[in-house]
Amino acid sequence: NAGVTQTPKFQVLKTGQSMTLQCAQDMNHNSMYWYRQDPGMGLRLIYYSASEGTTDKGEVPNGYNVSRLNKREFSLRLESAAPSQTSVYFCASSHRGNTEAFFGQGTRLTVV
Amino acid sequence: RKEVEQDPGPFNVPEGATVAFNCTYSNSASQSFFWYRQDCRKEPKLLMSVYSSGNEDGRFTAQLNRASQYISLLIRDSKLSDSATYLCVVNNGGSQGNLIFGKGTKLSVKP
Repeated sequence: NAGVTQTPKFQVLKTGQSMTLQCAQDMNHNSMYWYRQDPGMGLRLIYYSASEGTTDKGEVPNGYNVSRLNKREFSLRLESAAPSQTSVYFCASSHRGNTEAFFGQGTRLTVV
Repeated sequence: RKEVEQDPGPFNVPEGATVAFNCTYSNSASQSFFWYRQDCRKEPKLLMSVYSSGNEDGRFTAQLNRASQYISLLIRDSKLSDSATYLCVVNNGGSQGNLIFGKGTKLSVKP
């Protein structure tokens, strides 16, 4: 069972570079999420998609864009990376917004 | 007030001890509640859902008090392998909403 798959697992960017984090789930879930986790801050929601075709901002959306490509895939894009975006990024999915979520293994991003 | 607040920790306990974690939430309309476990440098994993009537899974017991907007997790007979960070999670916005995570409480179980 693949569950939630994120790529890449590690990435180093220079300030100003762009990149897209990919996420795919094979559980036929409706809802998908992007979180970032920083020391002392816990998991903070960046964007979420309650269903295919919809996306909504979370707690910390600035500097990010998302695309719900289809029911399986939800990507996160950094248009112009900044050192403040150095973090661990987790993608997650759930059947609905009020059911348990399952997480990918995370992407460790460093912006220098 | 933060949406989900947890005991700051860390909790350092000997093997075999009983330890309790508490969590409060601010949104009275929240419908679903969970405890997750996160090991160092790993993704969070569901430990258990929390039901209004309270629920137990082996050594773990979760309780929900909707009137006080309070959730708890009790771990009995702690094992070394229970060492992790425990995250309190609350639904925000119903079936079209999302999950809000507390900052977590770190547990270290010592021999």
